[in-house]
Amino acid sequence: NAGVTQTPKFQVLKTGQSMTLQCAQDMNHNSMYWYRQDPGMGLRLIYYSASEGTTDKGEVPNGYNVSRLNKREFSLRLESAAPSQTSVYFCASSEQGGVREWEQYFGPGTRLTVT
Amino acid sequence: AQSVAQPEDQVNVAEGNPLTVKCTYSVSGNPYLFWYVQYPNRGLQFLLKYITGDNLVKGSYGFEAEFNKSQTSFHLKKPSALVSDSALYFCAVRDGGSQGNLIFGKGTKLSVKP
Repeated sequence: NAGVTQTPKFQVLKTGQSMTLQCAQDMNHNSMYWYRQDPGMGLRLIYYSASEGTTDKGEVPNGYNVSRLNKREFSLRLESAAPSQTSVYFCASSEQGGVREWEQYFGPGTRLTVT
Repeated sequence: AQSVAQPEDQVNVAEGNPLTVKCTYSVSGNPYLFWYVQYPNRGLQFLLKYITGDNLVKGSYGFEAEFNKSQTSFHLKKPSALVSDSALYFCAVRDGGSQGNLIFGKGTKLSVKP
């Protein structure tokens, strides 16, 4: 049981390049999330998916797109990277209902630098 | 709108002493409150949550949190700090209007010295 996995762990991009961050969970959770973490800012929600086939914007969606490929996988795409997108990106998942309702489980993160 | 505040950027404690990491909240309706811990270069780990019931919630690694409705606070506590407790701690509140999204505080760095 790996929990939430993310790839890659590190990435350096040049301004204008594109890339996709991958996330997968093996806990059969319905809800999945993408956050970015910046020093002194806490975690800010980029996009979330309440269930397979649905996605919604969070607090800071500009410059990003997401795809909920199936129940397990939720990817985040940067179409044209900008230095302001330098950050650490976390994927998380949670279940609805049950004793662990709303507890989010996080992946190890992707450290992205845009030069 | 729901929000949480962590008034201290850093808390310093000597090993063996009790520790408190503060969190205050602002919500409409009943609060769903959470504490997470982040060790260096790792993702966040769930510690405990308050949904309803007893005001004292016990969680992982010997941590507990006290829900105080009149003071709108949800402080994290541990009776005896360990050096290994040194980490970044986040308080969060469920965003009531969504599917279970959490709104996080800015985090408090806990440093426990031997």
